[in-house]
Amino acid sequence: GEDVEQSLFLSVREGDSSVINCTYTDSSSTYLYWYKQEPGAGLQLLTYIFSNMDMKQDQRLTVLLNKKDKHLSLRIADTQTGDSAIYFCAEMDSSYKLIFGSGTRLLVRP
Amino acid sequence: GAVVSQHPSRVICKSGTSVKIECRSLDFQATTMFWYRQFPKQSLMLMATSNEGSKATYEQGVEKDKFLINHASLTLSTLTVTSAHPEDSSFYICSAEPGLAGGPWETQYFGPGTRLLVL
Repeated sequence: GEDVEQSLFLSVREGDSSVINCTYTDSSSTYLYWYKQEPGAGLQLLTYIFSNMDMKQDQRLTVLLNKKDKHLSLRIADTQTGDSAIYFCAEMDSSYKLIFGSGTRLLVRP
Repeated sequence: GAVVSQHPSRVICKSGTSVKIECRSLDFQATTMFWYRQFPKQSLMLMATSNEGSKATYEQGVEKDKFLINHASLTLSTLTVTSAHPEDSSFYICSAEPGLAGGPWETQYFGPGTRLLVL
């Protein structure tokens, strides 16, 4: 079945850039997403990218998609302490269900 | 816009009792709602997909008689955990899809989650 993998943990200093990586296996994915989850809360959609795009930028967020390698990344510029959270990548499979990665816990140090 | 609420936010119950969790789309109509379960430090696992006015579709391994889902209106879906046991303790998250009014990129606005603890 489909699988989405992420590294578990990332620690950066405030003001630096953060890069969170994700790999997926379903080559038929049409949309890929990044969600943010703060402690004890649901998921907040940060951004998405259509599979025929290589890059999408939205303010401090940059998403890069390498479809050949099935690799997705999220770059957060000028990372702030409020960005500390768990970040999930997700792909939409052929039946329009979301398949989530295991989440990357981002810790931003002052 | 696109706000989804869940009630209650947390619930503690005794083993053997049933618990109902509500999921509401507050400012849009949701033809499809999803129920997920999340264990500590793990990802979200889809439990079932519910469409308004029809029976829910459960994922493999999810007991439909234990996790009863009702999607009676375009803004409300409920998940009832019947005869709850300690192993049912988890974080339950719902999401709602705008349906025809939106596109796939808008898919699934998530509720804040309900933490269930079964003693």
